[in-house]
Amino acid sequence: EMQLVESGGALVQPGRSLRLSCAASGFTFDDYAMHWLRQAPGKGLEWVSGINWNSASINYADSVKGRFTISRDNAKNSLYLQMNSLRVEDMALYYCAKASRDAFDFWGRGTMVTVSS
Amino acid sequence: QSALAQPRSVSGSPGQSVTISCAGTSSDVGTHNYVSWYQQHPGQAPKLMIYDVNERPSGVPDRFSGSKSGNTASLTISGLQAEDEADYYCCSYAGSYTWVFGGGTKLTVL
Repeated sequence: EMQLVESGGALVQPGRSLRLSCAASGFTFDDYAMHWLRQAPGKGLEWVSGINWNSASINYADSVKGRFTISRDNAKNSLYLQMNSLRVEDMALYYCAKASRDAFDFWGRGTMVTVSS
Repeated sequence: QSALAQPRSVSGSPGQSVTISCAGTSSDVGTHNYVSWYQQHPGQAPKLMIYDVNERPSGVPDRFSGSKSGNTASLTISGLQAEDEADYYCCSYAGSYTWVFGGGTKLTVL
């Protein structure tokens, strides 16, 4: 059974850092691109960052570029998101998602990031 | 990276059809045939319903269909059922390994 389990969400103060992790199982992790997406409370979905299977292609939404870093460890079947200089507007439920045919075909349940002083 | 434009809400009665539009630009929807649609019920993770404009993943009922004309994509749900009531989001590849979502549409089944 395919599973994506996010972790690392927490309450942090503005300006601080946080690292999210996503543990994948039930599929061949290094065959697929992976993405981070987020959803602020009561708001819509936002694509945050994506990484292809061998980390050769990476990009970010303008809203997080220069502050967030995506990475993956295929040996550990894991995806990561290093978030620095967090802002109040980064507060959201962060999902990791598996990509197929340029769509997000399987999502985790998300991990909540709260940014507040 | 401007969000795609979706109506905030649509509604229909059971058995009817509804269409949700998704307006983009020549940089995203108009250029790339990588439009996808997601269904999200309250408190749940999104579920892929349509990819590549008009392809359905295994297990998605054929009541769901997608199309595209110019810079606008559409999701049509025919034979509305109560369980279709949810939020729907469109998404398009926008080039340079970036993606953009619509603001979401709340579907109410009357």
